Amino acid sequence: AQSVTQPDIHITVSEGASLELRCNYSYGATPYLFWYVQSPGQGLQLLLKYFSGDTLVQGIKGFEAEFKRSQSSFNLRKPSVHWSDAAEYFCAVRGFGNEKLTFGTGTRLTIIP
Amino acid sequence: SAVISQKPSRDICQRGTSLTIQCQVDSQVTMMFWYRQQPGQSLTLIATANQGSEATYESGFVIDKFPISRPNLTFSTLTVSNMSPEDSSIYLCSADPPRQNTEAFFGQGTRLTVV
Repeated sequence: AQSVTQPDIHITVSEGASLELRCNYSYGATPYLFWYVQSPGQGLQLLLKYFSGDTLVQGIKGFEAEFKRSQSSFNLRKPSVHWSDAAEYFCAVRGFGNEKLTFGTGTRLTIIP
Repeated sequence: SAVISQKPSRDICQRGTSLTIQCQVDSQVTMMFWYRQQPGQSLTLIATANQGSEATYESGFVIDKFPISRPNLTFSTLTVSNMSPEDSSIYLCSADPPRQNTEAFFGQGTRLTVV
């Protein structure tokens, strides 16, 4: 069975500072990995995804993530956060040939001036 | 990319009643999914809906409580039956990717409050 762990429930970062959100997955083969963002009262928006190839993937809004097979991780990064980045971030995994998405518990990001 | 229209966007319902949530996709998709997001929680898959067959429910979810219809390749409904305050959640539908290497699409969600 596939699973996702987001160890940080809540992170507070100063505006302009760098950000890293952690995600660890469990899956028997190379998974498909995703990061979604959910702003208050909004639906899910895809930030980026990894299927294969280059392990460093670029997404929207200046986000990037790196797939590290040896660590079963897919951490999300941004060099300089903006107040509008405050939201809930979800890491998700899907196996090849399996359409079910399994979500992590989410990390709530707070931005302080 | 596909667009999913979900309605209602929010509702406040009396306990004991039922609410049907509709999800319309602007293109044909094989599988659709229904998720529940309880307050402050992550998304939990309720069931997978294929056109022409009964939905497949995840552990902890039953058809009597969450009946699902999938009459065609672009539409699905989820009914939350005999509601209690514990059913207060955001319900989201999603559709499978049209090709293997793409992401799932999500509706905007239905915020349900049961009083």
